[in-house]
Amino acid sequence: SQTIHQWPATLVQPVGSPLSLECTVEGTSNPNLYWYRQAAGRGLQLLFYSVGIGQISSEVPQNLSASRPQDRQFILSSKKLLLSDSGFYLCAWSVGYSNSPLHFGNGTRLTVT
Amino acid sequence: DQQVKQNSPSLSVQEGRISILNCDYTNSMFDYFLWYKKYPAEGPTFLISISSIKDKNEDGRFTVFLNKSAKHLSLHIVPSQPGDSAVYFCAASVLSGSARQLTFGSGTQLTVLP
Repeated sequence: SQTIHQWPATLVQPVGSPLSLECTVEGTSNPNLYWYRQAAGRGLQLLFYSVGIGQISSEVPQNLSASRPQDRQFILSSKKLLLSDSGFYLCAWSVGYSNSPLHFGNGTRLTVT
Repeated sequence: DQQVKQNSPSLSVQEGRISILNCDYTNSMFDYFLWYKKYPAEGPTFLISISSIKDKNEDGRFTVFLNKSAKHLSLHIVPSQPGDSAVYFCAASVLSGSARQLTFGSGTQLTVLP
């Protein structure tokens, strides 16, 4: 069966510091991969998605970037964090094309101080 | 511009009764709809989905109804159980290239009272 791992679970970082969140998927090949963010009291906002290695689509211009160095690895990064980057970051995967749901990891709670 | 709206931030229901969660959308290009359940500090868990070619899909205690003309989606939980207490998100999807992009509502906190 497929599983998704996301770490760390919680992170406290000062303003201006870099960020790297990692997500890996097991049990499937060539998944679509996604990064979402949930701000306090809000819904989930799509940040990036990827349909293959090195292919990244950005939905919201911002202080973050994403990379997919391997088929089942998705990384969310920032060179300099802002206070507004605080939130709950979720990685998800799905199979391509079909009407299939996204499956989410357990998320990373990021607090920028 | 919120394309997917859940106008009720919270709902309380007695155990054993029906829970009805509602969702409205504006984009007529959405063709696949989903409901997720989320506990605090966890990722959302997929519950049930429906394609735009259907108007009803049932899975155990969960039924999703789609009214395309009204651009309205609802989730019925019967009978409701205390373990159903969580935040429920509806999501609407459109195929973009080879990936489905989900647009989420802001969620409804369901509390099932014993």
